[in-house]
Formats: sequence, structure tokens, C-alpha cells
Amino acid sequence: DTGVSQDPRHKITKRGQNVTFRCDPISEHNRLYWYRQTLGQGPEFLTYFQNEAQLEKSRLLSDRFSAERPKGSFSTLEIQRTEQGDSAMYLCASSWDEEGNEKLFFGSGTQLSVL
Amino acid sequence: SQKIEQNSEALNIQEGKTATLTCNYTNYSPAYLQWYRQDPGRGPVFLLLIRENEKEKRKERLKVTFDTTLKQSLFHITASQPADSATYLCARGRAGGFKTIFGAGTRLFVKA
Repeated sequence: DTGVSQDPRHKITKRGQNVTFRCDPISEHNRLYWYRQTLGQGPEFLTYFQNEAQLEKSRLLSDRFSAERPKGSFSTLEIQRTEQGDSAMYLCASSWDEEGNEKLFFGSGTQLSVL
Repeated sequence: SQKIEQNSEALNIQEGKTATLTCNYTNYSPAYLQWYRQDPGRGPVFLLLIRENEKEKRKERLKVTFDTTLKQSLFHITASQPADSATYLCARGRAGGFKTIFGAGTRLFVKA
């Protein structure tokens, strides 16, 4: 168990550029989540995958955001035409699809700064 | 909407004392509540889960309670240590569900 891995740890970009983040979940986990967190706030749910299927997207996720999990393993989150309001920590988490194992395992996050 | 409310003011306590953090929820009772610890620049780390039909759960120096009448969970750290200083997040989930909703967290400072 190597934990949830996110890459990059930090990303600085200019407004209007596209960025892509990667998440490698714990290998046995079939659920994968993306959250966004700003300073002083808790993580906000963005989207969720069960295997390769994206089952829910938050209304927070504008059409500039897209997430994929092509083979049910790693996932990518892309933000197109970034805005300053997109600056936040983007967290990935994974879990088992099993009652009694609802706890989430988080990565260390990708800190995005949009200038 | 389902919300989780935590005290936004930081909690400052002396080493050795018991820290008590509060989590209130709105609307219907969640199937379970979770508590996570988060250090600056890191992702949250799971600590404890308590289900709706459980009154209390313990793990080492940690204790969590679930009061469906008050719509509240209390999180206690006994014999607190400076290393316990962190932000503690409360989260709600529903049976068979996947969307865990987090509160804003409470910062705890334990002074030596």
C-alpha cells in the first residue's frame, strides 16, 4: 500500500492556460474522488468515479473542468482556461466500495495558483 | 441542503488537558460521521467513524460521540500533546452513498 499519489504537488499558471493534474489511487480501491479546498474551508466535493464510470459531478464543476479515469485506475482532472478563482488545493481520494469501509484515503493534493 | 458546521474559532488548550471539538449537522441524520486530521499542506487523514446507531467510539486517546437528538458529534482528545495541533474535520456520509460532505474544520493548538 503506497497510498494515494498526486502529481504535481504545486502548479503555477497564468490565467487562461489549461492545466492537468494526475491522481494514482490505492491500487485495490475502485472508488475515486476529486475535492477542492480553499484556505480556511473544508474539502468540497467535485466528482466521483466507480471504476471508470463517472457517477456524479458537483454543480461546482463548471464545463471548464473535466475528469477522466480511463481504465479504472489513475485519474486526471483538467481545467481549461483557468481563472484566478480556480486557485485552490485539489485533493484526490480513494476508497473501497464496501459497507464498513467508507473511510477516504487522501493524497497530499495539488496546490494550484492562477496568476 | 445537508450541512456540517464546525466552530470556526481556533481552540487553544494546554498540554495534558482534554480537547473537545464540536460538529453539528442539519436536516436528517447521516448514516455515519467521520473525523479527519489535516496538517498544513497535506491531505486529510482518517481518524474515526461513528455510525448513527452508535453512541460512542474510542481509539487510543480519541473519543467520538453521536447524539441524534442534538444533531451533534463531539470529538475528544484526552491527554493532549503539542503534536495533536492540527485542523480537525468532521464529515457526514450516507449509507450506500459516496458523497462525503465536510465541515470547514476547527484548528487546534496545544501549548506545551
